[in-house]
Parts: sequence; C-alpha cells; structure tokens
Amino acid sequence: KAGVTQTPRYLIKTRGQQVTLSCSPISGHRSVSWYQQTPGQGLQFLFEYFSETQRNKGNFPGRFSGRQFSNSRSEMNVSTLELGDSALYLCASSGGDRVVADTQYFGPGTRLTVL
Amino acid sequence: AQTVTQSQPEMSVQEAETVTLSCTYDTSESNYYLFWYKQPPSRQMILVIRQEAYKQQNATENRFSVNFQKAAKSFSLKISDSQLGDTAMYFCAFSYGGSQGNLIFGKGTKLSVKP
Repeated sequence: KAGVTQTPRYLIKTRGQQVTLSCSPISGHRSVSWYQQTPGQGLQFLFEYFSETQRNKGNFPGRFSGRQFSNSRSEMNVSTLELGDSALYLCASSGGDRVVADTQYFGPGTRLTVL
Repeated sequence: AQTVTQSQPEMSVQEAETVTLSCTYDTSESNYYLFWYKQPPSRQMILVIRQEAYKQQNATENRFSVNFQKAAKSFSLKISDSQLGDTAMYFCAFSYGGSQGNLIFGKGTKLSVKP
C-alpha cells in the first residue's frame, strides 16, 4: 500500500498570504489528522477529519482550517499568514475507529516558510 | 489534561550497544495507548512500537522493546544492538479511546548513534 502523501513538500510564502496544503491518506483510511511541528512548541495537534466532518480540533486560531473530501483526501488552509506559522505541517491517517485509538501513520510533511 | 514528558533532550550511544529512552505520562483515562515514533533527519515520522494500556505484556518489535509500568505511568523504550540508522528524534506519544485522532506528544529525545 502506498503511504501517506503530502503536497507540496516545501512552500515559501509572505506574511498576509494564504496557503493550502494537501494530504492523501493510506488507501482505506478514513481519518486524517494534522499536526504543526516547530522547534519551540514541538508537535501540536491542529484538527482531525473523519468522513468529511471535523471530529476534533486543537487550540489554534480560526485562521487554520481544513476540510476532507469524499475520497478521504484532506486539505488544510492557513489564511493571513504570520511569521510564527513557519513550521513543518504533518498529516497522519488512520482507520478512524472511535473506540480503539488506531495507529496513526504520518506523511513526509510540508515545510512552510513565511517571510 | 493528558501530558507526556521526555526528560532526556539528547542521548548518545555507541553502535551495537543498548540504550533506554524515558517517557512518563499523566492521565486519568483507563483505556489508553502509548506509542514511540521515530523521526530521522529526513523528517518522515515512523511508528516504532505501540502499547495498549490494558495489556500487561510489554510490546516488542525486533530490537525495540518497551518497559511499561502502568502504576508509575512510565513507558520507556529500549533499543538493543544500536545501529547508525537508529539516529533520529524519538517521540513518545499518548492517545486514548475516543480521543478522536489527537495524539499528544512529548518534546522528543534526540538520539545519536556513534560508530
């Protein structure tokens, strides 16, 4: 099976712009979670989508949003970029079982640099 | 709130030797899951090992094993016969049934394997 893929791998934007990142989960996986990784804050949960619905959300401002399509592919969007949004954005997919915590499998990440 | 603590920011080990990475966690949940993930310099986060809290037997995956002490809320990772390819950041992570795709990570331990 192909792993989790993320596009683009690298992105450079300027403050005030918006950006969209894409994630394709492992075939058959219905849950997609997004994480932000920075040297200072470490890995922080952004949100999770399951069957096209946001099921859980971390503590991030409304500038961070996402969606999931019927084929389970997910996108996250960051509007009005700030310098502090520079980070590695990781996507992870899992089966999405609500009771048993499925193992999450991660993509290679998108490195976002905001200038 | 759930927390995960990795008290060793950096460690080093000689090739072929054994090293143990520490992780403690805090939770009031009874049904939870613990993970060790490895993130090599290439940045792809890889699952190393998973432990279900209800299982008393410690998980093992080839050269990787855990020492799960539920009462002490401790979850250490032992790497035997260390190899150069084990050089990476290691993250301890926690999830619980119903947490809906939210992995809580420790800050990580940077492991260097020296020839």
